[in-house]
Amino acid sequence: DTAVSQTPKYLVTQMGNDKSIKCEQNLGHDTMYWYKQDSKKFLKIMFSYNNKELIINETVPNRFSPKSPDKAHLNLHINSLELGDSAVYFCASSQEGAYLNEQYFGPGTRLTVT
Amino acid sequence: KQEVTQIPAALSVPEGENLVLNCSFTDSAIYNLQWFRQDPGKGLTSLLLIQSSQREQTSGRLNASLDKSSGRSTLYIAASQPGDSATYLCAAFPQGSARQLTFGSGTQLTVLP
Repeated sequence: DTAVSQTPKYLVTQMGNDKSIKCEQNLGHDTMYWYKQDSKKFLKIMFSYNNKELIINETVPNRFSPKSPDKAHLNLHINSLELGDSAVYFCASSQEGAYLNEQYFGPGTRLTVT
Repeated sequence: KQEVTQIPAALSVPEGENLVLNCSFTDSAIYNLQWFRQDPGKGLTSLLLIQSSQREQTSGRLNASLDKSSGRSTLYIAASQPGDSATYLCAAFPQGSARQLTFGSGTQLTVLP
C-alpha cells in the first residue's frame, strides 16, 4: 500500500528517557513534516524537511531532533523526555511544487511520558 | 501569522440532517485549504482540498466552499449518518516559501441514530 507509516503506534516511557519515532513514506514525495497534536487536539507544525534539508523549525525545544537519512524517511528523536511531551505525533508528506501540495498524514504515534 | 478558527467546537445532530461546519482564517494569502477527518485514536484522512482559485469542491455527500475575501470556508455534509461522527479539521496552506499547514482546533461531530 502506498502510504505514510509511523512506528511505533504507541510509546510509553518514563521521564528522562530518550526515544525515537520513525516515519517512512513511499509516495515519492520530497517534503516531510512532523506535527504535534496536544491534549486539546490542536495540531501544530514542528519540523519540515525538503530533500533531506530542514526548511521549517518551529519553536521546538532542542531536545527534539529530526533526522532525514533520505527523502523517504524522517525520524524524530527526543532526548530527556518530559511530562509535557505527552501527545500524538503525526508525520506527513507532500510533493513540493505539485499542483495542489496536498499533504498526506501517517496514523500517528501516541507518546505517553510517565 | 495565520490563525485558523473552527466553530462550533462540538456539534450533535440527528441522523439525516444536513449540516455545515465553519472554518475562518486570518490571512487570505493562502495557496489551498484542506479539510480532514480524524476518528478517535486514528490519523487524519484528507476529505477535500480547495485551491485558492477555486470556490468549491465536492466529493459524494461532502461539499467544501472557499471565500478568500472573507477568510471563510465551510464544509457541508448532506444527509448525515452515524458513520460521519468524527472530528473535522480544516487547515490552511500558505502562499510563499513557508510550507506548513496551519490547523484549526476542529469540530467534533456526533450524528445520533
